Amino acid sequence: DAGVTQSPTHLIKTRGQHVTLRCSPISGHKSVSWYQQVLGQGPQFIFQYYEKEERGRGNFPDRFSARQFPNYSSELNVNALLLGDSALYLCASSQDLNYGYTFGSGTRLTVV
Amino acid sequence: GQQVMQIPQYQHVQEGEDFTTYCNSSTTLSNIQWYKQRPGGHPVFLIQLVKSGEVKKQKRLTFQFGEAKKNSSLHITATQTTDVGTYFCAGVVTSGSRLTFGEGTQLTVNP
Repeated sequence: DAGVTQSPTHLIKTRGQHVTLRCSPISGHKSVSWYQQVLGQGPQFIFQYYEKEERGRGNFPDRFSARQFPNYSSELNVNALLLGDSALYLCASSQDLNYGYTFGSGTRLTVV
Repeated sequence: GQQVMQIPQYQHVQEGEDFTTYCNSSTTLSNIQWYKQRPGGHPVFLIQLVKSGEVKKQKRLTFQFGEAKKNSSLHITATQTTDVGTYFCAGVVTSGSRLTFGEGTQLTVNP
């Protein structure tokens, strides 16, 4: 079975631009979460979706938004990119709430 | 907000030595999960602990959840070079809610 797939794997954007990151969870997994990981730090929670409903939002500005589609895939959108948004963005899925998460390989975003 | 703290930040051991990382939460947890991230990789789920005082073992790895459900530990017996990576604990305060990760303990093993 395919794991959690994320696209693109790497991305370079200019300050002020917009970016869309995509995630396909493991088939049958209903919960998808997004995390931001800066080098040397633990993943920081951005969003959690379950059955296409937003269940939680981390301490990130409104420039960050996300959604989950009927097929449970998800998008993370970031507007007006700042240099500080440079990080590894991780998508994780789990079959249900209160289960361990399977992470994708992430999207490495560099803002210049 | 909820905080999850891990110590030590770094640990260097000789192959064959034991290793322990500790995790403490500012609030009582519903459950705690442990993940391993290899250099250049992504977090990989190891285990979930739910019950107060729970102890689980996976080969050379022993995981414990404190009686008050505010702390946890991971102990590796006789480390191997394949154990290299960063170990994260991640706590859940309310059942079904977000995972809050600690900062991780980076383990290096000298052969």
